[in-house]
Amino acid sequence: QVQLQESGPGLVKPSETLSLTCSVSGVSISNYYWSWIRQPPGKGLEWIGYIYYSGSTNYNPSLKSRVTISIDPSKDQFSLKLSSVTAADTAVYYCARVAITVTGTGFDYWGQGTLVTVSS
Amino acid sequence: EFVLTQSPDTLSLSPGERATLSCRASQSVGSDYLAWYQQKPGQAPRLLMYGASTRATGIPDRFSGSGSGADFTLTISRLEPEDFAVYYCQLYVIPVFIFGPGTKVDIK
Repeated sequence: QVQLQESGPGLVKPSETLSLTCSVSGVSISNYYWSWIRQPPGKGLEWIGYIYYSGSTNYNPSLKSRVTISIDPSKDQFSLKLSSVTAADTAVYYCARVAITVTGTGFDYWGQGTLVTVSS
Repeated sequence: EFVLTQSPDTLSLSPGERATLSCRASQSVGSDYLAWYQQKPGQAPRLLMYGASTRATGIPDRFSGSGSGADFTLTISRLEPEDFAVYYCQLYVIPVFIFGPGTKVDIK
């Protein structure tokens, strides 16, 4: 079955760059869109951006200046970098697959999420 | 700028009751791009509905979705104990995704 697993540091210092990787198993990363979504503690969901296996990307306009999403199809992995982090970037970060079908669009598979805390 | 609002913020109901959750967009949208998620504490969200009214794989038929234009509804016909959770609607406004703030369904 399709599984996604986030990995990366759980603690990042203010002004530094947050880096996470999502490893995909059970399906080839090719021919799909892949996304990052975050959730601050006790709050709602915020879409960060997505990448197609070809490498094309789209980002949340509110984060665009600080976000880079990349993909490595040979490893079935995609990654997130968020620069110049502040305490407001403290959140659970999820990776997810984007399902785009003739009948609709949604995030159909999710990782378990990883908490990243921004603190000195 | 597209905004999604959900109402009510909290819905307090008993098992066996019917739950009706609302999601409203600031502008009319295509129903193909409206999805609903369920999230329980400590878990990742789970896709319930996409295309406003199509149930995702494995979702029981007590969940149904409807709506068009700017107004969408998620209905749970008879609440089971495992349905008490937070529900989010989500819109794809090409090329960005937007989530609503969520509705918490808790036990009365």
